[in-house]
Amino acid sequence: ETGVTQSPTHLIKTRGQQVTLRCSSQSGHNTVSWYQQALGQGPQFIFQYYREEENGRGNFPPRFSGLQFPNYSSELNVNALELDDSALYLCASSLSTTSEQYFGPGTRLTVT
Amino acid sequence: GIQVEQSPPDLILQEGANSTLRCNFSDSVNNLQWFHQNPWGQLINLFYIPSGTKQNGRLSATTVATERYSLLYISSSQTTDSGVYFCAVEIYSGAGSYQLTFGKGTKLSVIP
Repeated sequence: ETGVTQSPTHLIKTRGQQVTLRCSSQSGHNTVSWYQQALGQGPQFIFQYYREEENGRGNFPPRFSGLQFPNYSSELNVNALELDDSALYLCASSLSTTSEQYFGPGTRLTVT
Repeated sequence: GIQVEQSPPDLILQEGANSTLRCNFSDSVNNLQWFHQNPWGQLINLFYIPSGTKQNGRLSATTVATERYSLLYISSSQTTDSGVYFCAVEIYSGAGSYQLTFGKGTKLSVIP
């Protein structure tokens, strides 16, 4: 059974650019959640996708957007990057909207 | 929103020692997970425990939902136990959506 995978592993972008991060969910899981983890902090919930629809959002501006595909993989898009967007971005998949979440290895984004 | 507090923030142990990590939360929760984050950022599932006690090898966890706390016990610690331990509570955020809210973590260092 393949676990949750994310790509790329690391990414360096310039302020004002746009970025797309990708996540493949664990086999059989239909729900993907995205989190941002700043250095020294716990992960913060960005949003959740269930059956290709956004199903809940944390306190993040609209320039953070996402997609979920029919195979339940997902993308996180961030527009107009700011220096404070530098963080580890984690995605998690689960069997349903309220079941144990399993995390991928993360994408480390640096904005300069 | 819900507050999740973990204590202690930092813990240094001699190899072979036992420890107890605590997680307090400010409101009723749907579920609770404990994670270990390794130095590369990967969050590893330890327990999914809304109430009661579970054991997995040298680790065990107890959640007392009525008193809004959970404890993680590590016995006979090993250097590989080093890392950051997170408690995350699952709350209902409306419209069929559930989200994890994380504490700030306990950084554990096990020295030989």
